[in-house]
Amino acid sequence: GESVGLHLPTLSVQEGDNSIINCAYSNSASDYFIWYKQESGKGPQFIIDIRSNMDKRQGQRVTVLLNKTVKHLSLQIAATQPGDSAVYFCAEINTGTASKLTFGTGTRLQVTL
Amino acid sequence: ETGVTQTPRHLVMGMTNKKSLKCEQHLGHNAMYWYKQSAKKPLELMFVYNFKEQTENNSVPSRFSPECPNSSHLFLHLHTLQPEDSALYLCASSQGGAPGHETQYFGPGTRLLVL
Repeated sequence: GESVGLHLPTLSVQEGDNSIINCAYSNSASDYFIWYKQESGKGPQFIIDIRSNMDKRQGQRVTVLLNKTVKHLSLQIAATQPGDSAVYFCAEINTGTASKLTFGTGTRLQVTL
Repeated sequence: ETGVTQTPRHLVMGMTNKKSLKCEQHLGHNAMYWYKQSAKKPLELMFVYNFKEQTENNSVPSRFSPECPNSSHLFLHLHTLQPEDSALYLCASSQGGAPGHETQYFGPGTRLLVL
């Protein structure tokens, strides 16, 4: 069946270090992936996306890597800051079927000083 | 701000009450969504509207009734809810239409507590 999951429910990182949040997906037909950040008391916020014709995409301090061979997605945050503390969700979609995102359970990133 | 607003932000209701959640998007999008977010669970899609037409009802109990009067507004009418319906209810919108416009933008959510 289709599923999107995260390897680690909680990740603790020291301020200034790089963070890597991982996500596994099982639907090989998924061709579009999104990372969301959800801070306490807020709704999910779009961070970065990637399509299946790419294996890497960079934003401001964030990089998403896609490995279609092993159906793995990762979000790298450079020089992690306290403001990065949040829950991070990956989401996947098969754009050929409908605009219906499937979300993972989320990983909580804790930034320590 | 994402351009998607939700009211109220917090709601406490009894099981016999009737209440409504409101969502408004200022992004010119054509698709709107209701999600339920419970602790330690993935986001659960409830309803999808495209161009004001309901295109998905994800086996949601009838005590939840959506309404989409236009592409900018979405309501979720609640009646005779159960305590297990307590959750964060999130509204989202996307451009809709052709593939390539799938990115959904979320509102801040309504934190619902059913007593």
